[in-house]
Amino acid sequence: DTEVTQTPKHLVMGMTNKKSLKCEQHMGHRAMYWYKQKAKKPPELMFVYSYEKLSINESVPSRFSPECPNSSLLNLHLHALQPEDSALYLCASSQDRVLNSPLHFGNGTRLTVT
Amino acid sequence: GQQLNQSPQSMFIQEGEDVSMNCTSSSIFNTWLWYKQDPGEGPVLLIALYKAGELTSNGRLTAQFGITRKDSFLNISASIPSDVGIYFCAGPLSGGGADGLTFGKGTHLIIQP
Repeated sequence: DTEVTQTPKHLVMGMTNKKSLKCEQHMGHRAMYWYKQKAKKPPELMFVYSYEKLSINESVPSRFSPECPNSSLLNLHLHALQPEDSALYLCASSQDRVLNSPLHFGNGTRLTVT
Repeated sequence: GQQLNQSPQSMFIQEGEDVSMNCTSSSIFNTWLWYKQDPGEGPVLLIALYKAGELTSNGRLTAQFGITRKDSFLNISASIPSDVGIYFCAGPLSGGGADGLTFGKGTHLIIQP
């Protein structure tokens, strides 16, 4: 069992819907990440939060809006998505910077945009 | 951005065979990580390497951090059916320790009975 918990496991939404993905970890990790993964491709970094502050935004469209309410929680708010945004969205956390501490991933939310 | 070149893209092997895959980069990396991903799940860390020349084992898995810091390999000995999956190498995005990982394209391991 992964120690990074993501909900929901599956989500189907229309292009006009607003939804949120949630991620939680209780390992005391201070860095949290959102990745997007298309089928048979490697994960691609979207956002990095370090000590609850957004430190990296990899040129992600504004229809994806991250939020880090506290050190254990990470949300990804979705609005006006496109069908090509359908993918597996992975959350990860690490104790500190990647140089010294590996990322631990959740099992992802499988998102389908109709 | 930085790219990790991972090979082979896929491997079809018989149960019991040894497996070898590798990753190379044009940039120096100070950390190399190897993950495995099963269908419907997130990547799971197999081995983390932090020092050039380091050779680390985890059960039947062995990984090495190349001395030039531009490559790493992963070996699996005596493969079993549960080894099936996609294996990714990964390293820090900037090579110097900035946050986030960049991944190789993955090696898809298929074991034939």
